[in-house]
Amino acid sequence: QKEVEQDPGPLSVPEGAIVSLNCTYSNSAFQYFMWYRQYSRKGPELLMYTYSSGNKEDGRFTAQVDKSSKYISLFIRDSQPSDSATYLCAMSAQGGSEKLVFGKGTKLTVNP
Amino acid sequence: GAGVSQTPSNKVTEKGKYVELRCDPISGHTALYWYRQSLGQGPEFLIYFQGTGAADDSGLPNDRFFAVRPEGSVSTLKIQRTERGDSAVYLCASSLMGLAGGGTGELFFGEGSRLTVL
Repeated sequence: QKEVEQDPGPLSVPEGAIVSLNCTYSNSAFQYFMWYRQYSRKGPELLMYTYSSGNKEDGRFTAQVDKSSKYISLFIRDSQPSDSATYLCAMSAQGGSEKLVFGKGTKLTVNP
Repeated sequence: GAGVSQTPSNKVTEKGKYVELRCDPISGHTALYWYRQSLGQGPEFLIYFQGTGAADDSGLPNDRFFAVRPEGSVSTLKIQRTERGDSAVYLCASSLMGLAGGGTGELFFGEGSRLTVL
């Protein structure tokens, strides 16, 4: 079993839809949870960062972490064609580990 | 430049050849990372530098892979005796201080060096 599991999709939605992306993980030491967005042939860029459990909202994006279920989610409201990209979850353990463990990424297409 | 710069953007080489990939991080960023991303996969950690020293090289797959950062800025990833399985995009990232220094895990990635081994 991989440390981080993420459904690769692809996921195709109409403009304006609510998108739900998620990852599960097996390592209970993970404390830092991130969502990165990657456009084609570009490097990933950080969208959301959460430490430990809880919710975090930033504009149209909401990140949720449920450590008891080892499950994290990213919600995108009012999705736009410019949101079309691959979304990668990433995690890191407590204790100063610098190693981010990424999921496979979910490829999202928002159709106008 | 303002972002992380990686050269070359594309490299095609033959099996068995030696390859060097260069990364120029954001000015002032002490933490530098190399990741490898195969087609359809997420980035996979290779090595992390804090300053000039390799603080964690646990992701390097074998002794054909080596990385240096002699002056604490530019880094070079070196691959000896390349194999077809080394074909991937090699991503470099930098951050101001890293997680241990109180950072948020925000890594600033370059666009990557796409390596193809024939």
